[in-house]
Amino acid sequence: DAEITQSPRHKITETGRQVTLACHQTWNHNNMFWYRQDLGHGLRLIHYSYGVQDTNKGEVSDGYSVSRSNTEDLPLTLESAASSQTSVYFCASSETNQNTGELFFGEGSRLTVL
Amino acid sequence: GQNIDQPTEMTATEGAIVQINCTYQTSGFNGLFWYQQHAGEAPTFLSYNVLDGLEEKGRFSSFLSRSKGYSYLLLKELQMKDSASYLCAVADSNYQLIWGAGTKLIIKP
Repeated sequence: DAEITQSPRHKITETGRQVTLACHQTWNHNNMFWYRQDLGHGLRLIHYSYGVQDTNKGEVSDGYSVSRSNTEDLPLTLESAASSQTSVYFCASSETNQNTGELFFGEGSRLTVL
Repeated sequence: GQNIDQPTEMTATEGAIVQINCTYQTSGFNGLFWYQQHAGEAPTFLSYNVLDGLEEKGRFSSFLSRSKGYSYLLLKELQMKDSASYLCAVADSNYQLIWGAGTKLIIKP
């Protein structure tokens, strides 16, 4: 069965360190997204990609970067982790352009920045 | 600005019916989604409405009124496993998804 997986599921790091969260999907979807989820907020879009070599900034992209070298993977990098980036991160993919179709989410990565 | 409003928390009884409301103010509209999210898990897709009216899918139904900027998710014959958060999201004129903070639904026996 096709799936979308994230790793690590849990990570604790220190302020200032670089962190990379991996996202791998076997749906063969062109569209991939990174969200963060915090209490009291809706899911907030960090970065997204509509295909290989395509990346775009979302509403909360500062301090984050992504790269898309193949269809399956969209790693999220925190260049210099800050305590404000403590959150649960979800990767998602979709088949359709323009957000009119179902999003398939990974299990989430809980990041704590001390 | 763009805004999605949902109640923070609701409580209902097993076997009963509950309606979770969502109101939105967005720049344009290209559809409204409902997702279910159990604690500690990923959101999963429930429904997508782009035209006015009621869409029924088993025990779950979703209603949309574009003129009122309003939707609801109706859950019938509630089961304990329906205890979860329910997320409302709207695709705006640029097809960007705007998410509500979610409604935590607690089911009591």
